[in-house]
Amino acid sequence: DGGITQSPKYLFRKEGQNVTLSCEQNLNHDAMYWYRQDPGQGLRLIYYSQIVNDFQKGDIAEGYSVSREKKESFPLTVTSAQKNPTAFYLCASRNLDSYEQYFGPGTRLTVT
Amino acid sequence: ELKVEQNPLFLSMQEGKNYTIYCNYSTTSDRLYWYRQDPGKSLESLFVLLSNGAVKQEGRLMASLDTKARLSTLHITAAVHDLSATYFCAVDNPSGGGADGLTFGKGTHLIIQP
Repeated sequence: DGGITQSPKYLFRKEGQNVTLSCEQNLNHDAMYWYRQDPGQGLRLIYYSQIVNDFQKGDIAEGYSVSREKKESFPLTVTSAQKNPTAFYLCASRNLDSYEQYFGPGTRLTVT
Repeated sequence: ELKVEQNPLFLSMQEGKNYTIYCNYSTTSDRLYWYRQDPGKSLESLFVLLSNGAVKQEGRLMASLDTKARLSTLHITAAVHDLSATYFCAVDNPSGGGADGLTFGKGTHLIIQP
């Protein structure tokens, strides 16, 4: 099955802890993206990567970090510096020669 | 800064009726995307509109794009309960040839009642 997997589906953490969300794709897509969704809101771009070992900040990168060591993997770390980390996190990918972005199933993070 | 505005943000309608969701955006872009989201789920791609005047239809949904007016519409014909969901429009960020991610509207929460 080709697609994007995110794990875990639900994640609970205490305030002050860093947490890493996994995103893997076997679509051979070049670009990968992380978005955050808050209740009743649209998605906002956190980070993106168009090529291995390179990534760029999106609109709300503060308090987050990423790596892109392999084409198929783009993990997101939510650090303790992120003031309001509770949200639904969505990973996406696309080929650079096409337009459609495909989304993973999401990880719902709750920090208390 | 690219802004994407949808209206209405909330819509309750009866089965069998027609309605249109509007999506305005603030800077030049030739590509516009419509997604559907069911409660607690991820986004499902509905339409990708790639040029001015593009029109796409799937079942009871039809989307169009007017790049000069910076406006896209999603028209629902003879609504059925299964179309109840939140609908998002999104636009390619202007720099980077479209690979820099999308800017989303806040979504239209659509409830279709029997």
